[in-house]
Amino acid sequence: DAKTTQPPSMDCAEGRAANLPCNHSTISGNEYVYWYRQIHSQGPQYIIHGLKNNETNEMASLIITEDRKSSTLILPHATLRDTAVYYCIVKSQGAQKLVFGQGTRLTINP
Amino acid sequence: GAVVSQHPSRVICKSGTSVKIECRSLDFQATTMFWYRQFPKQSLMLMATSNEGSKATYEQGVEKDKFLINHASLTLSTLTVTSAHPEDSSFYICSARDRVSGRAHNEQFFGPGTRLTVL
Repeated sequence: DAKTTQPPSMDCAEGRAANLPCNHSTISGNEYVYWYRQIHSQGPQYIIHGLKNNETNEMASLIITEDRKSSTLILPHATLRDTAVYYCIVKSQGAQKLVFGQGTRLTINP
Repeated sequence: GAVVSQHPSRVICKSGTSVKIECRSLDFQATTMFWYRQFPKQSLMLMATSNEGSKATYEQGVEKDKFLINHASLTLSTLTVTSAHPEDSSFYICSARDRVSGRAHNEQFFGPGTRLTVL
């Protein structure tokens, strides 16, 4: 599976949109982009995933560039409860394993 | 959404004893479960993949005789840390994939984790 690169940390003001970038320049055509987050001392939580089209659900939006070499997770109105480590993972549909990188530690400030 | 539970949530044991951690999928059947370990301020590291009714597949560097995994049913997998030592103290997290292929595009559902402290 392709590797991903994320900034180690980010800050965002409560109520503003949080935009978390992820680079995956070696992504293959059959690999999806997944986002998970881990709130302190809890198990990771699935957020969203996509292949090439932008995706939106009740938690977030995922914007994938046309060349698929990078993506951005958008939390439209961040709250204090969104403070967590966010992991961007690239995985093919048939692969079972999720390989976690270091992620981005997002802090939402009041 | 799908729920995965772990028991216990915290355990403290003496060095040399064995500790069993349970992982259950509560509202779905999981043919595959995964066990991760996470040290403080580090990312999750996959230890092993567990398929129901067959032997677990361990990642490189993980001792299969020390970390015994049993996946006897579609809703339960157990991890036993044998002869635990202080260096085994960590946060152990399991995850499960839903057996129904069309559900949630093969995403994994994670348990809340078990914090093991070996004295």
